[in-house]
Amino acid sequence: DAGVIQSPRHEVTEMGQEVTLRCKPISGHNSLFWYRQTMMRGLELLIYFNNNVPIDDSGMPEDRFSAKMPNASFSTLKIQPSEPRDSAVYFCASTPQENTEAFFGQGTRLTVV
Amino acid sequence: QQQVKQSPQSLIVQKGGISIINCAYENTAFDYFPWYQQFPGKGPALLIAIRPDVSEKKEGRFTISFNKSAKQFSLHIMDSQPGDSATYFCAASIGSSNYKLTFGKGTLLTVNP
Repeated sequence: DAGVIQSPRHEVTEMGQEVTLRCKPISGHNSLFWYRQTMMRGLELLIYFNNNVPIDDSGMPEDRFSAKMPNASFSTLKIQPSEPRDSAVYFCASTPQENTEAFFGQGTRLTVV
Repeated sequence: QQQVKQSPQSLIVQKGGISIINCAYENTAFDYFPWYQQFPGKGPALLIAIRPDVSEKKEGRFTISFNKSAKQFSLHIMDSQPGDSATYFCAASIGSSNYKLTFGKGTLLTVNP
């Protein structure tokens, strides 16, 4: 199994541009999470999907952030417009069912200049 | 408000020594306490977890000690090895649900050969 696959691994963009991060969860997993990691705030849950439905998006920082899961094998996290304070490592994770171990991808390091 | 406080921020241990990382929580509703290990450029991975009905859990060289009355838990790594060098995160959640984890800020462990 290839694990959770995230793309791109690194993204550098200018302030104001739209950024789209992509995630392919492990096949058969029906829960998907987006996390953000920064030195100041550590690891924060942004949004949680179960069976492709957003269950909890209370961690999404503001309206500039949006996430979709059109099918069981793909999710996106979009930031529009991006700001320098959005610079962080964004992780996607998936689990086979609720209340089981989450498997993390390798992350996307986003730098907004 | 940080609900899970982790210390120290960084730790240097000699090979063969014992590494100890501590966490304290505030919310008495927390009932699931995992530890995650993260290597550079990788996502966090579940290392070991404990629920409050036991005071200790051991898996190989890794042990979690849990003190419910003090609202503290700690990770002990016995016979620390250079390959253990990584960032360690404690976390906590309510209702044994691992999707709404509150993470500590992390401890960077360096094990010198």
